[in-house]
Amino acid sequence: LAKTTQPISMDSYEGQEVNITCSHNNIATNDYITWYQQFPSQGPRFIIQGYKTKVTNEVASLFIPADRKSSTLSLPRVSLSDTAVYYCLVGEPNSGGYQKVTFGTGTKLQVIP
Amino acid sequence: DAGVTQSPTHLIKTRGQQVTLRCSPKSGHDTVSWYQQALGQGPQFIFQYYEEEERQRGNFPDRFSGHQFPNYSSELNVNALLLGDSALYLCASSPRRGWETQYFGPGTRLLVL
Repeated sequence: LAKTTQPISMDSYEGQEVNITCSHNNIATNDYITWYQQFPSQGPRFIIQGYKTKVTNEVASLFIPADRKSSTLSLPRVSLSDTAVYYCLVGEPNSGGYQKVTFGTGTKLQVIP
Repeated sequence: DAGVTQSPTHLIKTRGQQVTLRCSPKSGHDTVSWYQQALGQGPQFIFQYYEEEERQRGNFPDRFSGHQFPNYSSELNVNALLLGDSALYLCASSPRRGWETQYFGPGTRLLVL
């Protein structure tokens, strides 16, 4: 499984755009990049997933450069409720049903009023 | 459509005891994975079940065992509890086939005294 590296923590003011970058230098051809959000004492919540270029949904955007060795999660106009830990994961979402997902330590985002 | 559900929500045990945690996967999902999340850490993969068999296992001792039932629900059993087993135990489900990432339940908070 590809190892990921993220900043340990980030601070942002309300209303700003937040970009969290994840490095995954040894990403494999069949790997996808998935981001989860986790609030204290809750299970991780799926945010977005992508393979290359750009993916956007109602919550976030995911930018993936051509070499796929990094990715950036973009949260537009954050609010206090976006304060959480964000995890970047790399792997095959469905490798014959034997998907083993490995989480890193994540990025703790603190949104400031 | 109910998501992943887990029971109980909280549990207190003493050292040496045994515990059983339960998980019902999201409708349409047949693969269940279990994770342990210590305070301030990312989730650590314990094992994954599909077709009522353990398919993959993380770096956890044999004290951790599981079971999957014909209706795809699953149990996590931990024997001879240690203080270090205190953690949030997360269950995640996914379909073996098709394009979908894992969805997590709210977790069971286990405290070992």
